[in-house]
Amino acid sequence: NAGVTQTPKFQVLKTGQSMTLQCAQDMNHNSMYWYRQDPGMGLRLIYYSASEGTTDKGEVPNGYNVSRLNKREFSLRLESAAPSQTSVYFCASSELPGSTGELFFGEGSRLTVL
Amino acid sequence: AQTVTQSQPEMSVQEAETVTLSCTYDTSESDYYLFWYKQPPSRQMILVIRQEAYKQQNATENRFSVNFQKAAKSFSLKISDSQLGDAAMYFCAYRSAYYGQNFVFGPGTRLSVLP
Repeated sequence: NAGVTQTPKFQVLKTGQSMTLQCAQDMNHNSMYWYRQDPGMGLRLIYYSASEGTTDKGEVPNGYNVSRLNKREFSLRLESAAPSQTSVYFCASSELPGSTGELFFGEGSRLTVL
Repeated sequence: AQTVTQSQPEMSVQEAETVTLSCTYDTSESDYYLFWYKQPPSRQMILVIRQEAYKQQNATENRFSVNFQKAAKSFSLKISDSQLGDAAMYFCAYRSAYYGQNFVFGPGTRLSVLP
């Protein structure tokens, strides 16, 4: 019963490098999300996808791109990493629309940009 | 835009005692959902409890219960018989029933449990 799986768990990048965070869910959820978590700020939404083939910007989308590859997978790409993108990133999914829509989270990915 | 406030950055409780974490939110909507999530040192975000705004009855899950005051826009979490495993960051979250894709999280409260 994997739930939401995201990789890698840890990554160190140099400024200007690119990378992709991968996320997959096996709960047949329509909606998927990428959040970043910074101390004292809770979780902030980067991008979300309400269904396969659609993506929308959240609160802090600058510097990121996403791809909803299929219903299961939702990737987050940093094209040119900056130190301000040092954070913990969470992928999540939910049953929305319908139900109370609580989020199911992956284990998080700690990214450090030097 | 909705906001969620957790005014207690840190709290501590003695093992087996009861502690209440505060959460207030600001919204003009009448229908919404509220959640408490727990984040232990493992970093995994775990749903603790949920509350539908249209329900007057406060939600309860074992040792966890909420005090939902809709008029006051308050949603506090009570942990009874605190255990060492309850030590974690706790996040309060709001989800609109109308624009449901955006969850709004509070900044979190770090709870320490003292043996």
